[in-house]
Amino acid sequence: DSGVTQTPKHLITATGQRVTLRCSPRSGDLSVYWYQQSLDQGLQFLIQYYNGEERAKGNILERFSAQQFPDLHSELNLSSLELGDSALYFCASSPMEGQENTEAFFGQGTRLTVV
Amino acid sequence: GQNIDQPTEMTATEGAIVQINCTYQTSGFNGLFWYQQHAGEAPTFLSYNVLDGLEEKGRFSSFLSRSKGYSYLLLKELQMKDSASYLCASGGYKLIFGTGTRLQVFP
Repeated sequence: DSGVTQTPKHLITATGQRVTLRCSPRSGDLSVYWYQQSLDQGLQFLIQYYNGEERAKGNILERFSAQQFPDLHSELNLSSLELGDSALYFCASSPMEGQENTEAFFGQGTRLTVV
Repeated sequence: GQNIDQPTEMTATEGAIVQINCTYQTSGFNGLFWYQQHAGEAPTFLSYNVLDGLEEKGRFSSFLSRSKGYSYLLLKELQMKDSASYLCASGGYKLIFGTGTRLQVFP
């Protein structure tokens, strides 16, 4: 158990809908990262937050947004869902702002299926 | 820009040694990570190199050459449970991952 909690584990929804994925980082970790992993694809970096502020952005679609709350949990919002958004969404946390000498710990992921 | 390249697939035999290579071109380099990921599961940390040279950790070792933008992961005494994807990642704010190398270990 990495200490990072993601909910829900599975989500099935229809095209055009909106969903919210939740991530609770390890105790004491200030950074949260979100990744998308489509079938047989690599981990695509979406966005990073540090202590409530956005720190880095990857190829995140405009239909997607995220935030980190004062209690450090984070939510990833996906709207106007398309079939191609079906993927595993991972959250990772680390104590540092960047990746200096510390690994990121990954949650078990949320498997999103858009039908 | 950031670009990380790894072979897509590799196969090896139980008990053997395998080397998985990774080349990278990134801005703001801050170390090179290796993660292991079994299908459908979360990636788990294997190793981190920030200085040139070899880091050994049990059956796994990782090497980095910053001047060449090159790293490799060496797995010794392969076991069936080592069948997984191995992800090379460039450290920094974004922690950018390569597409991963799928390793299959055969008896």
